[in-house]
Amino acid sequence: DTAVSQTPKYLVTQMGNDKSIKCEQNLGHDTMYWYKQDSKKFLKIMFSYNNKELIINETVPNRFSPKSPDKAHLNLHINSLELGDSAVYFCASSQRLEETQYFGPGTRLLVL
Amino acid sequence: GEDVEQSLFLSVREGDSSVINCTYTDSSSTYLYWYKQEPGAGLQLLTYIFSNMDMKQDQRLTVLLNKKDKHLSLRIADTQTGDSAIYFCAERAGLPLWDAGGTSYGKLTFGQGTILTVHP
Repeated sequence: DTAVSQTPKYLVTQMGNDKSIKCEQNLGHDTMYWYKQDSKKFLKIMFSYNNKELIINETVPNRFSPKSPDKAHLNLHINSLELGDSAVYFCASSQRLEETQYFGPGTRLLVL
Repeated sequence: GEDVEQSLFLSVREGDSSVINCTYTDSSSTYLYWYKQEPGAGLQLLTYIFSNMDMKQDQRLTVLLNKKDKHLSLRIADTQTGDSAIYFCAERAGLPLWDAGGTSYGKLTFGQGTILTVHP
């Protein structure tokens, strides 16, 4: 059973489109995260939710909107996609904010 | 702000030991982590060390922490071709959420990754 899963695994889309990436964890964790990994493999946190509440919001364009319908899910919606949004997006979760994070397999987004 | 740096490349022969180094700047770090990313895959947690420890061993992996120099290393004994991957060092900021304004506690800061290539 996959602990942290993401869909889709690959996403190819045109500039200007709106798309969503979904994340689910079955670990019973309270905290979930979104990270962006750029073409140089640099990983940077975007958002963190604890018990469905936003607690970390790094400097991310407001075209990116996370939504947490419940503790086990954290989705990422991106409006008006741009070329620079092409990256691998990783979801992660941890029991609490200060505990070890476990990552999903990543969603490879390519904006044409 | 926090900064984590690693060397970008390491090449070793199968059977040799690999040592991947990492330096960080945040003196309030609580935990330091090593993650492995295989080609086309997600990040896999390898091991972590609490900041009041100076060494942790887990089978072929040995983590050394020099808190004074803010230097972390990962040693892989008897390196195998299956160990070829990108290895990320990460540090967790130690400031409590309410003191840090909610922007640094719990946040992991990653290094840029070290690409380990193992030759037969």
